[in-house]
Amino acid sequence: DVKVTQSSRYLVKRTGEKVFLECVQDMDHENMFWYRQDPGLGLRLIYFSYDVKMKEKGDIPEGYSVSREKKERFSLILESASTNQTSMYLCASSAADYANTGELFFGEGSRLTVL
Amino acid sequence: AQTVTQSQPEMSVQEAETVTLSCTYDTSENNYYLFWYKQPPSRQMILVIRQEAYKQQNATENRFSVNFQKAAKSFSLKISDSQLGDTAMYFCAFMSPPGAGSYQLTFGKGTKLSVIP
Repeated sequence: DVKVTQSSRYLVKRTGEKVFLECVQDMDHENMFWYRQDPGLGLRLIYFSYDVKMKEKGDIPEGYSVSREKKERFSLILESASTNQTSMYLCASSAADYANTGELFFGEGSRLTVL
Repeated sequence: AQTVTQSQPEMSVQEAETVTLSCTYDTSENNYYLFWYKQPPSRQMILVIRQEAYKQQNATENRFSVNFQKAAKSFSLKISDSQLGDTAMYFCAFMSPPGAGSYQLTFGKGTKLSVIP
């Protein structure tokens, strides 16, 4: 069964803290993505990666960085968390033919609250 | 840049009835893909249905079907015989084909559907 696992479902952090959100997929997918989901705004792409050690900026990369050292793992890093980064973060992966299928496989999400 | 508009933030439907969720999009391209994704409460988002713009036939997946009107740039989702498990947030999404610039999905803001027993 297809599986994308996000390490934390709920996190509470303080302003200025460094935050790591981890995502692991077991489908040997080439592509991995981090989205941010906010009510009334839908999903917005933060970063994506199409290969190990490769990364591309999405629509809202400011304040975030990513790391992909292994194919199955894609980490989202908030270097200095701010209250406006309180949100639901969704990780997704897709196979190499994503450009033709558009099919993403999502994790359950990580709800981050920054106080 | 492409935009996707879902004009109904929330909808409700009685169990076993039919409901239609609206989606419009804006693009200058002739070929592209359209999708509906479903996000049940506290569960993963999944792909419901996919439509390729060059195909005139509307896509169907069991109780889910679309009404694709290319000239009007409209892509609505019809759910027949609604079930309690259909309660979810539904997102319409657009993607350009390979070679047409960014091939990332552009999502609408979502429609929250509640199926009432």
